[in-house]
Amino acid sequence: GAGVSQSPRYKVAKRGQDVALRCDPISGHVSLFWYQQALGQGPEFLTYFQNEAQLDKSGLPSDRFFAERPEGSVSTLKIQRTQQEDSAVYLCASRSRGLSYNEQFFGPGTRLTVL
Amino acid sequence: AQKITQTQPGMFVQEKEAVTLDCTYDTSDQSYGLFWYKQPSSGEMIFLIYQGSYDEQNATEGRYSLNFQKARKSANLVISASQLGDSAMYFCAMREGYNTNAGKSTFGDGTTLTVKP
Repeated sequence: GAGVSQSPRYKVAKRGQDVALRCDPISGHVSLFWYQQALGQGPEFLTYFQNEAQLDKSGLPSDRFFAERPEGSVSTLKIQRTQQEDSAVYLCASRSRGLSYNEQFFGPGTRLTVL
Repeated sequence: AQKITQTQPGMFVQEKEAVTLDCTYDTSDQSYGLFWYKQPSSGEMIFLIYQGSYDEQNATEGRYSLNFQKARKSANLVISASQLGDSAMYFCAMREGYNTNAGKSTFGDGTTLTVKP
């Protein structure tokens, strides 16, 4: 498929476990975004990459959250020592090069449940 | 800091009628973009419409139009001829900047639209 894909779609973790969430953006898309969406709320920005450079990580809630995009394509969001408040849907989006009005294409999200 | 406010947690509309979903925003930037997304129960965010802060004409995309009132900092979404498939959560969002390095988007808390047959 040509869209943004994310894996796994669902993840259940015990409190204290580390998790890794993967995002495959649309081929050739330069920009990649991670958002966290709590139940019943709008997505909240976590971090943003342009190619392999992480240009903004101001939304990462703590140093337990880490994101990387080493080759400028696939990205991984890692959460260490998960807590119950980390339970949310994690959305990845990508955008092509061009004027800022280019839409972000979102993936289906990974629903993380921390027990 | 940017802020998006959607004051309608839930809205109902009769099939085939028009509905307006409210959105107000706050920013100190002169250059920004405004977006509306639809999120059905499947969870995927679907782009609907975009308005740039310098665009003089209101954006339209099929049955969707954006009523942009810059002085009032509002960007309401109008859906004409509602269909049952329009039932979903709708998010208003704003992106800072107006160039290729424009980054993060700020989202509102959404409005749940229910279309009645």
